[in-house]
Amino acid sequence: SAVISQKPSRDICQRGTSLTIQCQVDSQVTMMFWYRQQPGQSLTLIATANQGSEATYESGFVIDKFPISRPNLTFSTLTVSNMSPEDSSIYLCSVSQVGLGTEAFFGQGTRLTVV
Amino acid sequence: AQKITQTQPGMFVQEKEAVTLDCTYDTSDPSYGLFWYKQPSSGEMIFLIYQGSYDQQNATEGRYSLNFQKARKSANLVISASQLGDSAMYFCAMRENTNAGKSTFGDGTTLTVKP
Repeated sequence: SAVISQKPSRDICQRGTSLTIQCQVDSQVTMMFWYRQQPGQSLTLIATANQGSEATYESGFVIDKFPISRPNLTFSTLTVSNMSPEDSSIYLCSVSQVGLGTEAFFGQGTRLTVV
Repeated sequence: AQKITQTQPGMFVQEKEAVTLDCTYDTSDPSYGLFWYKQPSSGEMIFLIYQGSYDQQNATEGRYSLNFQKARKSANLVISASQLGDSAMYFCAMRENTNAGKSTFGDGTTLTVKP
């Protein structure tokens, strides 16, 4: 199993500013992902955080808007840049090991409100 | 086409009764894994159960069982002896061998257990 510490748990930000979300795992993990979830809705994958290289973004998400870092196997950050009210959402860090049968573990999420 | 379909936005069940949450999936990859997660109102994602595409038997974990019908591409979650604490949102998810470890989630089903 993996225990994930995600910070901050919530924030209220002004439009046009940026917020960096941190994800710290208590053990080395192979895979790290960032998701976005509107309350009561499904999870949408933003990107795969790759250690020591550029993240792999899903369709509709770009590096300029959501820069991601992953300097090692236990830590990653997601920045939401130049925020607008449409960015208000819950952002979740998720980790797993390689292998189809390994479940994903999730951070508690960051509830972001942009005003 | 959606890869994971959960057709029940909301379900109600009487305490101590059993309930089935539906999930169908779409993939051409012969190697994949299916997962169910529970998300209470607190927002954490809790792993419940896993079924591999090559598993011969249906998965079971305590009060949770997975009714896996491969030919019909369905992976329904059965919760037996429902408890009030089972009230939550439930997500079905899939990982495909060809999809770099990423999980695709359904839209979720909100389960309410009535006393």
